[in-house]
Parts: sequence; structure tokens; C-alpha cells
Amino acid sequence: IAGITQAPTSQILAAGRRMTLRCTQDMRHNAMYWYRQDLGLGLRLIHYSNTAGTTGKGEVPDGYSVSRANTDDFPLTLASAVPSQTSVYFCASSEQGDRETQYFGPGTRLLVL
Amino acid sequence: GENVEQHPSTLSVQEGDSAVIKCTYSDSASNYFPWYKQELGKGPQLIIDIRSNVGEKKDQRIAVTLNKTAKHFSLHITETQPEDSAVYFCAASKTDKLIFGTGTRLQVFP
Repeated sequence: IAGITQAPTSQILAAGRRMTLRCTQDMRHNAMYWYRQDLGLGLRLIHYSNTAGTTGKGEVPDGYSVSRANTDDFPLTLASAVPSQTSVYFCASSEQGDRETQYFGPGTRLLVL
Repeated sequence: GENVEQHPSTLSVQEGDSAVIKCTYSDSASNYFPWYKQELGKGPQLIIDIRSNVGEKKDQRIAVTLNKTAKHFSLHITETQPEDSAVYFCAASKTDKLIFGTGTRLQVFP
């Protein structure tokens, strides 16, 4: 069992380009989350999905979009990247019956130039 | 909304000593308080959590205490070891949306 996988591991992206960060979990968790981690700011929630077919906005959603076509996958898209989106991005998931306990992926390190 | 403050931002201890990290939260309705450990280049991993109906919880060398009146909770690591070196995050939640503190970098020197 892999848990949560994220791809790519790291990426350098030119400003203005479109980028999709991939997240897949094999635990059949209903809820999934995207966070960004910046030095001195901890982890901040970007978007979340309580179940397949639904999504919601977190603390810092601007400039990002998500989709949840099925239980396992929760991609995060930057439609037109800007340098302030340089960050480390973590995907997480949790069970329906214990939504507070979140399990994190290994992260994607993104640099926007 | 909820706000979580975490102190200190860095902490250095000698191997075998204890380490304490403190967090305060603003929303009195928060009822779930997890602690995550993040090693270099990895995602955060849950190490211990506590709910608002409990004042203290222990798991081997790790313990968490909660003071609901003062709205603060703390992580205690006893008999620290070099492998405890990492960044530790506290969080608070009243639903399934975790609000994280800004992290504490713990260094344990042999």
C-alpha cells in the first residue's frame, strides 16, 4: 500500500504557464486536501474535497482550482502560475469516520520564475 | 476564524533532555488538537493528538496536555534522541479543517 503519492516531486515553471499537480491515494479515503507550506507560515489549506464530486475553498484558494472526479485522485491546477505560488505543496486525505486525522503525501516543490 | 500560535520557532536540546513546544488557539469551539512531525524532505506525520474532553495523553516518550480554559496545549518529549530532530507542527480544529501553527524546528544534539 503506497498511501498518498504526489507528482511531480519538484518542478521549475515559467510564470504564466499552466501546471497540474497530481495526487493519488489508495486508502479509499473520502476526504482530500491540498495545502501549501511556506517558511514561517506553516501549512495553509488551499482547497478540499469531502467526497468524490464535491470541492470547497480553503484559506488561500485564489489562483488554484481542483477537481474530484473519483475517490482516488485530487489534482490541483495553477491556471497561470505567478512567482508568489512558489511553495511546497502537500496533498492529504482522511477517512469519513475520522476526518480530523489527516495523512500527508511527500509533497511537490514548485518554483515559479 | 481560528488562529494558532506556536512557540518557540526553534529549540535546541541536549540528547536525553526534555523538550516542550507550546501552542495557543483562539476559537474556544475547537475540540481536536493534533501534533505533526515533519522530517526533512517529507510530508508531516501525525505523532499524537488530543480531544477537548481529555486533559492529557501520553504515548511512550511523547505527551500532550490541554488547558481549555487558557486555550493552550503543549507537546512534551522526554529523553530526547537525535532522531527526534525535525519540525513539529501543532494544529486545532472544530470540524475537519485543520489550522496549523507555524512550526518549531527541534534540534537534538548528541
